[in-house]
Amino acid sequence: GENVEQHPSTLSVQEGDSAVIKCTYSDSASNYFPWYKQELGKGPQLIIDIRSNVGEKKDQRIAVTLNKTAKHFSLHITETQPEDSAVYFCAASRGRDDKIIFGKGTRLHILP
Amino acid sequence: EPEVTQTPSHQVTQMGQEVILRCVPISNHLYFYWYRQILGQKVEFLVSFYNNEISEKSEIFDDQFSVERPDGSNFTLKIRSTKLEDSAMYFCASRTGRNTGELFFGEGSRLTVL
Repeated sequence: GENVEQHPSTLSVQEGDSAVIKCTYSDSASNYFPWYKQELGKGPQLIIDIRSNVGEKKDQRIAVTLNKTAKHFSLHITETQPEDSAVYFCAASRGRDDKIIFGKGTRLHILP
Repeated sequence: EPEVTQTPSHQVTQMGQEVILRCVPISNHLYFYWYRQILGQKVEFLVSFYNNEISEKSEIFDDQFSVERPDGSNFTLKIRSTKLEDSAMYFCASRTGRNTGELFFGEGSRLTVL
């Protein structure tokens, strides 16, 4: 089955700087890669996703890149703000009715 | 904005007792899921449910677990005889099923087994 690895487990960045979280996946049939943000005491919320027919996608300060050959995908947050502090999960799925498999999460701290 | 709702938000139970966690998925969604998150760890897939039957389940989802959609709106997870290691946050999720679609999560039900 699919295995998603995520690094780093913890990341501290100065407010205003950029944060990068990296993931790898094992199943070459995976074609949908969402990123979820989880705030304390809440359920994960989708912040951005990318499909395998696209190499990069951007939404304001958030961007994702996908390298299907290397089975790598990354989340980039620019101009970080205090409200970006949370746990971020990458995930992978074969799409359609398939389950989503999560990475272990990255706890992002934005330092004042 | 439509949302997935879960009850109870927190349940404390004695080991060996049965627990039912309830979820109301978003009304036009067709696929339903239960995930589990042990404190500080990753979100783990338990089971997916479509067209009134289980479509896939993980190794965690053993004979002690069952799911049901009893009335067309609720989606329940039952743990027959709870163990200490069942203590976790349980998340219900749903999606439309069109193409892949965003998975919408509820706020979770925290289960504490004593």
